[in-house]
Amino acid sequence: EVQLVESGGGLVQPGGSLRLSCAASGFTFSSYWMSWVRQAPGKGLEWVANIKQDGSEKYYVDSVKGRFTISRDNAKNSLYLQMNSLRAEDTAVYYCARGGWATHDYWGQGTLVTVSS
Amino acid sequence: SSELTQDPAVSVALGQTVRITCQGDSLRSYYASWYQQKPGQAPVLVIYGKNNRPSGIPDRFSGSSSGNTASLTITGAQAEDEADYYCNSRDSSGNHLSVVFGGGTKLTVL
Repeated sequence: EVQLVESGGGLVQPGGSLRLSCAASGFTFSSYWMSWVRQAPGKGLEWVANIKQDGSEKYYVDSVKGRFTISRDNAKNSLYLQMNSLRAEDTAVYYCARGGWATHDYWGQGTLVTVSS
Repeated sequence: SSELTQDPAVSVALGQTVRITCQGDSLRSYYASWYQQKPGQAPVLVIYGKNNRPSGIPDRFSGSSSGNTASLTITGAQAEDEADYYCNSRDSSGNHLSVVFGGGTKLTVL
């Protein structure tokens, strides 16, 4: 059974940092593009970033470029999102999803990031 | 980057057919995928590619595409289909690769 479990969310002050993790199981993690998708409270889905199987390609939504870094550790079946210089508008539930482009076939339950003073 | 436009809300009578649409320039080049999201839950993929359903998705869900418009059709809507529906696609506008989501459509089953 495919499972994606996010962790690392919480309350952080504006300008602060957080590192999200996603533990994957039930599939060959190293064979898939992976993505982060977020959803602000009461709002729609927004793709944040994706990463190729070997980590050699990474893409970001414009609003997080230079502040967020996606990475992965295939030996640990884990996906990460390092978030720096956080802003109030980054407040959202962050989902880890399998797949890099239009087709995200499995999603985690999400982790809530709240940026507030 | 491109945008995908969806109607904010659509309603359908129980057992009837409803079409949810998604418009955007990226759909001229790429297929859309469709996701169902119920309150407090993660999104679930219901349609991808030309018209493919993941395992476990009822065959009352189908997808189609024409020009810059993708459509999700639910034939014989059930009460459990009441949810938010999102489309997405790959986007390569301005030689910048990304993924774009529509704003979502809230489906009410009457």
